[in-house]
Amino acid sequence: KQEVTQIPAALSVPEGENLVLNCSFTDSAIYNLQWFRQDPGKGLTSLLLIQSSQREQTSGRLNASLDKSSGRSTLYIAASQPGDSATYLCAVSHSWGKLQFGAGTQVVVTP
Amino acid sequence: NAGVMQNPRHLVRRRGQEARLRCSPMKGHSHVYWYRQLPEEGLKFMVYLQKENIIDESGMPKERFSAEFPKEGPSILRIQQVVRGDSAAYFCASSLEPTAANTGELFFGEGSRLTVL
Repeated sequence: KQEVTQIPAALSVPEGENLVLNCSFTDSAIYNLQWFRQDPGKGLTSLLLIQSSQREQTSGRLNASLDKSSGRSTLYIAASQPGDSATYLCAVSHSWGKLQFGAGTQVVVTP
Repeated sequence: NAGVMQNPRHLVRRRGQEARLRCSPMKGHSHVYWYRQLPEEGLKFMVYLQKENIIDESGMPKERFSAEFPKEGPSILRIQQVVRGDSAAYFCASSLEPTAANTGELFFGEGSRLTVL
């Protein structure tokens, strides 16, 4: 049974520091891995998707890596800003559309 | 608006009543998914539908819950005889067809928050 773990559960950094968020999964036979952002009381915003054949994806200040063999993904956010404060969710899929989510990392960026 | 649209955003029901949650997928998307986020818990898959078909309902509770995605109109998640434990945020997501050219990326709506009194 797949288990998705996100560490740390919460993180507070001063503005300008780089953020490193970790996601691990126990079953490496994944179809893809997706990172989301969730603001309080809001929906999920898709940040990056890494297909199982890829090693990383980049979008602006965000970079996500995937190491299937070790069951790990890392989301890097460069030069953090207060607007990056949110909960970040990692989700893996074994089949189309059926995601298994981690519990999330709650991030606070202080001005 | 090109995003996934859910309504109502907030719904209050008394125990025993019915709740109906609606979801319109992104333009061009024909596949819809429902997820539930219980208080202090992570998001859990409920059901995967395409037009007029249920593809995977392995995450749906066996009783009181049903979902449909008719040929015309939005997808509906229906909860009969609601209980307090049904209080949660229900999220709908949509995607393109599963083909080799598509990545399987899901796009989520803002959610419908159900409170059962």
